[in-house]
Amino acid sequence: AQSVTQPDIHITVSEGASLELRCNYSYGATPYLFWYVQSPGQGLQLLLKYFSGDTLVQGIKGFEAEFKRSQSSFNLRKPSVHWSDAAEYFCAVGARAAGNKLTFGGGTRVLVKP
Amino acid sequence: KAGVTQTPRYLIKTRGQQVTLSCSPISGHRSVSWYQQTPGQGLQFLFEYFSETQRNKGNFPGRFSGRQFSNSRSEMNVSTLELGDSALYLCASSLAAQNTEAFFGQGTRLTVV
Repeated sequence: AQSVTQPDIHITVSEGASLELRCNYSYGATPYLFWYVQSPGQGLQLLLKYFSGDTLVQGIKGFEAEFKRSQSSFNLRKPSVHWSDAAEYFCAVGARAAGNKLTFGGGTRVLVKP
Repeated sequence: KAGVTQTPRYLIKTRGQQVTLSCSPISGHRSVSWYQQTPGQGLQFLFEYFSETQRNKGNFPGRFSGRQFSNSRSEMNVSTLELGDSALYLCASSLAAQNTEAFFGQGTRLTVV
């Protein structure tokens, strides 16, 4: 069965600084990988996804993520954080031939200091 | 195009009661998945429906059930509510049968007292 680990529960970053959120997955084959963002009391918004091909994927709101098979990682990055990026971020993995079921990591809450 | 719509947004129920939550997927999407989100357990998969058939089921007791109608709208039902069922229930719709991106609704916040 697949699993996802987000090692950082909370991250505090200054506005304008860079941000990197870590995600490690466990899955026997090439996974489908996603990053979602959730604002308080809201649903999840898809930031970006990796299915195959180029291992560096670009998403919305200036985010990007890099798939590294050798490290079983899919870290999310943003060069310059805005106050509106304060939210909770979830990494998720989908298994091939398992419908659209997603397995989520525990999430990383990002706080942005002015 | 309208997004995923979940109703109601908020519910308060008493222990032992049952509850039904509704989800209308994005037009044209045939897959609907349900997730439970709690502070302690995070986001956990409940089940997925595609073309009115349950295709995947998470590790939840039989009190949790669902169904999908011919127009792809879905409902989930929780019977004999327990305090631990208090959670944000999220519905996600996907276009195709598998491995397509999921679009989430805003969720239904269920509080069991």
